[in-house]
Amino acid sequence: NAGVTQTPKFRILKIGQSMTLQCTQDMNHNYMYWYRQDPGMGLKLIYYSVGAGITDKGEVPNGYNVSRSTTEDFPLRLELAAPSQTSVYFCASSPDSRTYEQYFGPGTRLTVT
Amino acid sequence: LAKTTQPISMDSYEGQEVNITCSHNNIATNDYITWYQQFPSQGPRFIIQGYKTKVTNEVASLFIPADRKSSTLSLPRVSLSDTAVYYCLVDTGRRALTFGSGTRLQVQP
Repeated sequence: NAGVTQTPKFRILKIGQSMTLQCTQDMNHNYMYWYRQDPGMGLKLIYYSVGAGITDKGEVPNGYNVSRSTTEDFPLRLELAAPSQTSVYFCASSPDSRTYEQYFGPGTRLTVT
Repeated sequence: LAKTTQPISMDSYEGQEVNITCSHNNIATNDYITWYQQFPSQGPRFIIQGYKTKVTNEVASLFIPADRKSSTLSLPRVSLSDTAVYYCLVDTGRRALTFGSGTRLQVQP
């Protein structure tokens, strides 16, 4: 199993541009999450999903959108990128109803200038 | 949300036992305590989770006193590769983990 994969690894965006961060997991997990991590800080939850077709907001959802059309994929969309969205983005998944043992991807480092 | 407080940083030497304490004064009855490890430029990795008393796995032990207002992660005989940031989290079961700033552990030879 590849686990949780994220693309791209790095990206530089200009202010106002849009992009989609891809996340795929091959563990058949129902629960998937998007976090962002600013330098020297802990992770903050952006959005999460408890199954295909179901998504919900986390702590910092503004400026982002998600969709979950399949169990495997959970893309994160940035519309009108702003410098405040410069961060490292992590996707994670977990198999069951508690948040017990989330599996994280390698992250996408995004810079908005 | 239950707030956690842990030391910003700790230093240790190879072969020593390291204990990182986390306080979570307003933890709810059904909440679990979870610890993650994060290396630079990587996503966090689950270490251990517990509800009360003591939990042990192949890499760490978690001690939780009866009042559950704090917990201690114990890493036996650390090595240089244990240098990382360690996060204590309270799992409310609502599928949303709240990460604080963590404890930066530096292991020296």
